[in-house]
Amino acid sequence: DIQMTQSPSSLSASVGDRVTITCRTSQTTDNYLNWYQQIPGKAPKVLIYGASTLQGGVPSRFSASGSGTEFALTISGLQPEDFATYYCQQGDSPFFAFGPGTKVDIK
Amino acid sequence: QVQLQESGPGLVKPSETLSLTCTVSGGSMTTYYWSWLRQSPGKGLEWIAYVYSSGTTEYNPSLKSRATISVDASKNQFSLWLTSVTAADTAVYYCARRNYHVLFGNWFDPWGQGTLVTVSS
Repeated sequence: DIQMTQSPSSLSASVGDRVTITCRTSQTTDNYLNWYQQIPGKAPKVLIYGASTLQGGVPSRFSASGSGTEFALTISGLQPEDFATYYCQQGDSPFFAFGPGTKVDIK
Repeated sequence: QVQLQESGPGLVKPSETLSLTCTVSGGSMTTYYWSWLRQSPGKGLEWIAYVYSSGTTEYNPSLKSRATISVDASKNQFSLWLTSVTAADTAVYYCARRNYHVLFGNWFDPWGQGTLVTVSS
């Protein structure tokens, strides 16, 4: 099974900050790596799929990069609605493991 | 756009069978894969199973012996059964559409709002 790790597990930031979250996989996933945002009480929502492709309707302040086993999600200019938990997910069949999450809260 | 809605009992007794249904609206179920996932404080987000509109299925090995997923495309619904539940199966259960592209892999979108299932006597 592919194991997923994320760092940091939580961070505090201010509106306008640039934030980067890292995801590592135990095996290469052919860049099949997705990022989700989850607001408390809501279902996860996909932000990025295929390592760097922005889902339609997602603001351009969200971007992602990476390859092989190391990936990153960047939020450029944090907005109040971005305070949430972010998960990476490997998209290579068949087990679709999720990372443990990174909680972004207000400093 | 496509919307998903989970339904089923919110409380299940230990050793009994959990049964959930997801109703898909705003689009056809054909040519897509449909999934169940769950989220608990202890285990985080976990993919359970998916079913293709034709009925082909795949399961997470950790749950394969207890889970069954099926689809009824004529009713725009798919369902999950999980047998012999314990407190460890207490979670928010989500249904979602699995999307696939050869360049991008597999991702889940959209999701239902989720339904909390508590296993307790």
